[in-house]
Amino acid sequence: GQNIDQPTEMTATEGAIVQINCTYQTSGFNGLFWYQQHAGEAPTFLSYNVLDGLEEKGRFSSFLSRSKGYSYLLLKELQMKDSASYLCAVRSGGYQKVTFGTGTKLQVIP
Amino acid sequence: GAVVSQHPSRVICKSGTSVKIECRSLDFQATTMFWYRQFPKQSLMLMATSNEGSKATYEQGVEKDKFLINHASLTLSTLTVTSAHPEDSSFYICSARGSGGQETQYFGPGTRLLVL
Repeated sequence: GQNIDQPTEMTATEGAIVQINCTYQTSGFNGLFWYQQHAGEAPTFLSYNVLDGLEEKGRFSSFLSRSKGYSYLLLKELQMKDSASYLCAVRSGGYQKVTFGTGTKLQVIP
Repeated sequence: GAVVSQHPSRVICKSGTSVKIECRSLDFQATTMFWYRQFPKQSLMLMATSNEGSKATYEQGVEKDKFLINHASLTLSTLTVTSAHPEDSSFYICSARGSGGQETQYFGPGTRLLVL
């Protein structure tokens, strides 16, 4: 089976930087995704990592260490609209299915 | 980016009836589609993986006779909730992956089902 862990909630200040961690245990790892989900909406794609290292995309960066089963999503210059749930998801197995963690609800405060 | 649509976006039905939800990939061919369910304040739970032209693979605890999945073409998958009950009320989201790029899995906007 799979085990994906991320903090339940986080609070950060507008303009600051926040790091959301995700640890996972899986077999047949084939990539890690980060998605953003606003309440009542479907998730939207943020990033994808399959190799170790940092992927930067504007204000958002994602890091992966396959040997440690660890990833983080880094959000810079936080804006109020960044308040949302951030979902870590791992793709694995023969069917390449994507399994989600429980999500981290981020609240950005003024 | 790729677009995935779902229909209907919202449905209310009586207990005991069946509801069909459609998931379409609009600008790419989706060899694999995934169906997820999300209860309030919870994360997405994978229900089944659907490959075009073959039977769906269901996750443990998901009744295949209750949640019928048909992936008849490369752009359409349907989920039918049979004999729906109030506990089936949830947010159902499909996701599609193309045959070419393997990097991204695109999500539909979701279907909110309320069973009375």
